Amino acid sequence: DGGITQSPKYLFRKEGQNVTLSCEQNLNHDAMYWYRQDPGQGLRLIYYSQIVNDFQKGDIAEGYSVSREKKESFPLTVTSAQKNPTAFYLCASSIPGIGTEAFFGQGTRLTVV
Amino acid sequence: DAKTTQPTSMDCAEGRAANLPCNHSTISGNEYVYWYRQIHSQGPQYIIHGLKNNETNEMASLIITEDRKSSTLILPHATLRDTAVYYCIVRVAWDQGAQKLVFGQGTRLTINP
Repeated sequence: DGGITQSPKYLFRKEGQNVTLSCEQNLNHDAMYWYRQDPGQGLRLIYYSQIVNDFQKGDIAEGYSVSREKKESFPLTVTSAQKNPTAFYLCASSIPGIGTEAFFGQGTRLTVV
Repeated sequence: DAKTTQPTSMDCAEGRAANLPCNHSTISGNEYVYWYRQIHSQGPQYIIHGLKNNETNEMASLIITEDRKSSTLILPHATLRDTAVYYCIVRVAWDQGAQKLVFGQGTRLTINP
């Protein structure tokens, strides 16, 4: 089945450590996105990528980094510079274009202690 | 970006039609209205989208007013599994042609037996 896979579902890290969240899609989509969701809130865009080897900052990129070396993969690193990293992280992908829908993964819940 | 306004919460009886309103009074001519829903701790699920015509698919119907300043998502026969947070989103052209979904806080729909 085609879809987006995020792993792991739950992740615990100590404060000050970098952590990388995985996102893989087999939908052959060019565009991929990372969103952050805090309790009771909507989603906020962290980074997006329209094509391999290219990515752009979203609305809340500080303290995060990404790479897009392969079309199907868009990993997100939460660095120690991110002041409040505990959140629910969602990856999405879409065909570029304004009239197409985005597909979301099931999310990774990161807890930093 | 065009912003959307939705009621914080709604209730609906099982088997009845659920009508979820959304205001997007500052929407531009090329901006689509999308609806997604999110069941607790899962990734958002695409429901439907439209530009100016009413749309229907196997999940729902979308009614957009002629001036495009508001829309209504209709779940024709709500079931308990439709209990979720429903997001009305305007998808905007952004930054070198990419698209982004601007999420608000959504409507928490509770289907009651």
